[in-house]
Amino acid sequence: AAGVIQSPRHLIKEKRETATLKCYPIPRHDTVYWYQQGPGQDPQFLISFYEKMQSDKGSIPDRFSAQQFSDYHSELNMSSLELGDSALYFCASSALAGGPIQETQYFGPGTRLLVL
Amino acid sequence: AQKITQTQPGMFVQEKEAVTLDCTYDTSDPSYGLFWYKQPSSGEMIFLIYQGSYDQQNATEGRYSLNFQKARKSANLVISASQLGDSAMYFCAMREGDTGRRALTFGSGTRLQVQP
Repeated sequence: AAGVIQSPRHLIKEKRETATLKCYPIPRHDTVYWYQQGPGQDPQFLISFYEKMQSDKGSIPDRFSAQQFSDYHSELNMSSLELGDSALYFCASSALAGGPIQETQYFGPGTRLLVL
Repeated sequence: AQKITQTQPGMFVQEKEAVTLDCTYDTSDPSYGLFWYKQPSSGEMIFLIYQGSYDQQNATEGRYSLNFQKARKSANLVISASQLGDSAMYFCAMREGDTGRRALTFGSGTRLQVQP
């Protein structure tokens, strides 16, 4: 079965640089979520999109922005990178096929970002 | 207050034995979903099992079962017949509300090591 695709898988940037992470959801999934997982931490919700509109917002820094495109893929844009942005960034996708309570988020393999 | 609490930072289990990973949650919403994810050392986040707040029976999925005690607000994961490949970090997560498309809140995780 098709899974969530994320690119790149690894990324090394310098402080103050920008980065763009891409996410391709499972086909026919209409909602995309972004999470950040710092070293030794649990994933923290950043932002989500449903039908190309922002659906919910979590602890996303103002330096970050995201959008969902007409083909449902999503991009997370990160500017003025800081050392503390080094983390594993997950994209997850879901669909309400089984009903809203049963909605399950399926995660991509993650993008490991290292800021030097 | 923590919404998801996993009190076992690390657990050891012998191969072929069963193990229970604890998870307690805190919500005032009558509608919620509880999820368990496995994160191997490679980093990906793998969905294991789901339990809805209105489900009358405990969820099962192969060697995984969920011991759901609603009054105690606990949702413990039971892994039967442990295998070496079960060694990983396990996260309990919750989504509140019945409208769907809501972010997951994760616990701090339990690192399980299966010994031969």
